[in-house]
Amino acid sequence: NAGVTQTPKFQVLKTGQSMTLQCAQDMNHNSMYWYRQDPGMGLRLIYYSASEGTTDKGEVPNGYNVSRLNKREFSLRLESAAPSQTSVYFCASSGQAGAPYSNQPQHFGDGTRLSIL
Amino acid sequence: AQKVTQAQTEISVVEKEDVTLDCVYETRDTTYYLFWYKQPPSGELVFLIRRNSFDEQNEISGRYSWNFQKSTSSFNFTITASQVVDSAVYFCALSTTDSWGKFQFGAGTQVVVTP
Repeated sequence: NAGVTQTPKFQVLKTGQSMTLQCAQDMNHNSMYWYRQDPGMGLRLIYYSASEGTTDKGEVPNGYNVSRLNKREFSLRLESAAPSQTSVYFCASSGQAGAPYSNQPQHFGDGTRLSIL
Repeated sequence: AQKVTQAQTEISVVEKEDVTLDCVYETRDTTYYLFWYKQPPSGELVFLIRRNSFDEQNEISGRYSWNFQKSTSSFNFTITASQVVDSAVYFCALSTTDSWGKFQFGAGTQVVVTP
């Protein structure tokens, strides 16, 4: 019973490199989310996918793209990494089929620590 | 727009002291949901509790208790008789019926419990 799995756990990139963060959930959840966590700022939503086949921007989408590959998987891509994207990235999922979305707790992966030099 | 404010950046206590974490929220929606999460030093985010806007009954679960007051838009969290294992960052979050499950998180409060 893995829950939400993120890969990789750590990554160091050089400015301008590209990278895809992977996320998969095994809880049959409809919605998936990508957050970044920076000191003193809590978690800020980058992108989300309310259901399979849909994606939408969150609070801080610039510099990122996402793909909802299927119901289980939601990836985050940095096309040209910048030092300002150094952060801890969390993937989350919520919402079982048939349940209202907004009252469901989100279940988080363990995070990816990304450093961009 | 939704907003969650956790004004306390860090709280330091000695073991067995009580500690209360403040959370103030803003929303125009009449139906909304509030959550508390714990992030221990290992980094994972652990769901603690959810409250609905139409249920102001306060709750106690072991050493944890929550005080939800709509009149002051507050959802405070108290740890009674704190232990070293309670050292973590605690986040308050808000979700509304039209947000498609999106959360607005507060900045978090670091709790440090020393022996």
